[in-house]
Amino acid sequence: AQSVTQLDSHVSVSEGTPVLLRCNYSSSYSPSLFWYVQHPNKGLQLLLKYTSAATLVKGINGFEAEFKKSETSFHLTKPSAHMSDAAEYFCVVSPYGGATNKLIFGTGTLLAVQP
Amino acid sequence: SQTIHQWPATLVQPVGSPLSLECTVEGTSNPNLYWYRQAAGRGLQLLFYSVGIGQISSEVPQNLSASRPQDRQFILSSKKLLLSDSGFYLCAWSFSGGYTDTQYFGPGTRLTVL
Repeated sequence: AQSVTQLDSHVSVSEGTPVLLRCNYSSSYSPSLFWYVQHPNKGLQLLLKYTSAATLVKGINGFEAEFKKSETSFHLTKPSAHMSDAAEYFCVVSPYGGATNKLIFGTGTLLAVQP
Repeated sequence: SQTIHQWPATLVQPVGSPLSLECTVEGTSNPNLYWYRQAAGRGLQLLFYSVGIGQISSEVPQNLSASRPQDRQFILSSKKLLLSDSGFYLCAWSFSGGYTDTQYFGPGTRLTVL
């Protein structure tokens, strides 16, 4: 069965320090993997997507994620946190790696950024 | 470029009242359309998806229904709201054909049922 696990429900960092949000997945096929961000009372915004072209994926707002097949992980990182990064982040897997209508969402990680 | 709209942005309704939420997409043709609900502390739940006009697939049995009267319009309805229908409703779209798995979300509707 396909699944996605976000290992931390809450992460708190200081402004200017690195961000690491952890995600593990399970998929029988070559998956597509996504990170979305949601600010309070807003829709989800696509940060980045992995589709097997390159294991290190760069996204918007300085975020990037590395696909590690051996570890079944897709962790999201940013070198230096900004106050505006405070939001909830969702790791998402499209288990069939292509034409599918059903995404599998993680339970989310709430990122707090302290001044 | 493509844009997705939802309205209303917020809604407070009494138990037993009807519901109609609307979602429209601009800048693309024949998109796949999706309705999700995000309840507090429960993540995103796919409610319905549609691959074309009049074609609706339901993921979760409930008192909600969806319709797609036009190519880029997706409506979520209920005849009688329950307290448990409260939540944040998100509409999303994706390209049809080929690789369809990237979904783009609207701004959402906050529904409170009292």
